[in-house]
Amino acid sequence: EPEVTQTPSHQVTQMGQEVILRCVPISNHLYFYWYRQILGQKVEFLVSFYNNEISEKSEIFDDQFSVERPDGSNFTLKIRSTKLEDSAMYFCASSEKETQYFGPGTRLLVL
Amino acid sequence: AQKITQTQPGMFVQEKEAVTLDCTYDTSDPSYGLFWYKQPSSGEMIFLIYQGSYDQQNATEGRYSLNFQKARKSANLVISASQLGDSAMYFCAMRALWGGTSGSRLTFGEGTQLTVNP
Repeated sequence: EPEVTQTPSHQVTQMGQEVILRCVPISNHLYFYWYRQILGQKVEFLVSFYNNEISEKSEIFDDQFSVERPDGSNFTLKIRSTKLEDSAMYFCASSEKETQYFGPGTRLLVL
Repeated sequence: AQKITQTQPGMFVQEKEAVTLDCTYDTSDPSYGLFWYKQPSSGEMIFLIYQGSYDQQNATEGRYSLNFQKARKSANLVISASQLGDSAMYFCAMRALWGGTSGSRLTFGEGTQLTVNP
């Protein structure tokens, strides 16, 4: 069964460093998303992407965040200058219709 | 704006018993979808079941069923014949469908931690 994959599974970085989180959505899906979940809290929407452009973003998704689909399969989230409060699980999701299927997540720890 | 409320932070159930996890919602979108996801301790987010606001019948997927009561704005998850592997965090979520103003983002509730006892 097709699934969303994410790399790396874990990432530790120093405050102020740039990180790139990678995702491979399900191949026939056209809609892509990033969410984050701070430890012990609920899942929060960051951004949605369709037809090679951002279709919607939340107030969390400020100038330090960016997304890109560099080729036909990958979908990336870049955090330019990480802060301590960026420590969270980051989920990529994709959908063909209503249902969004999530990847296993990247656990980001900013020290 | 959308809001999901899950009032049960934790639930306990005996193996092989049925359990209902509560979810209420609020939205101004004319059509919407309701979802349940399971998050085991390993952290991944697993899709369980979907209900469209326009669906006349309640959704079922194996041991999972969604008790959708539109007038009460509730979308409770029923798990029948609980298994030890059902122990996990369960999230209710919703998104707008056509005609909505909330985009396609999923809005999640706080979650319910289910523990299945042997």
